Amino acid sequence: GDSVTQMEGPVTLSEEAFLTINCTYTATGYPSLFWYVQYPGEGLQLLLKATKADDKGSNKGFEATYRKETTSFHLEKGSVQVSDSAVYFCALSMNYGGSQGNLIFGKGTKLSVKP
Amino acid sequence: DAGVIQSPRHEVTEMGQEVTLRCKPISGHNSLFWYRQTMMRGLELLIYFNNNVPIDDSGMPEDRFSAKMPNASFSTLKIQPSEPRDSAVYFCASSLAGRANQPQHFGDGTRLSIL
Repeated sequence: GDSVTQMEGPVTLSEEAFLTINCTYTATGYPSLFWYVQYPGEGLQLLLKATKADDKGSNKGFEATYRKETTSFHLEKGSVQVSDSAVYFCALSMNYGGSQGNLIFGKGTKLSVKP
Repeated sequence: DAGVIQSPRHEVTEMGQEVTLRCKPISGHNSLFWYRQTMMRGLELLIYFNNNVPIDDSGMPEDRFSAKMPNASFSTLKIQPSEPRDSAVYFCASSLAGRANQPQHFGDGTRLSIL
């Protein structure tokens, strides 16, 4: 079945360090891909999305590119801040059938940024 | 714009009691999702509705759990009788049905503790 695999956490970085969180997916069709962020005590918020191959989603300095050839959607940020400390979830949504709009989530990666 | 509204934010009760969680989706959204999040199991989809009709409840743990959506602006998740292993954060999310590239919008969750 369809699935999402993301790197195990926790990830601890110093402020202004470069961030990469790896995400790969398995899908029988052509999914839409998402990154969600969850700050402590809050629900998940959409961070960015990409709906077709080679699309780049970006928001708040974060970027991810939909790579169909490697079935990946890695999250990157050039310079992290303490305020980026959160749990990050990669997710996919299939573009066909009765389950359109359903999200399949990875297990989440906790990021801690130290001053 | 009002987001997804969940109540209560916190609930502490003794095992055996009935628990009712409530959700108001974003106006105009016609898909609604209930999730459970725990440290051990991560984020699990319990059930989702399209146009107030339950589509897939395969994630509901057992018969003690039930969910209803009597109209487009309200849904409940009920646990009766509750058990300590039901302790978790329960999230409700809504989106536009049948649109894979439309993100789900999450509420802030209900933190449930069963003593």
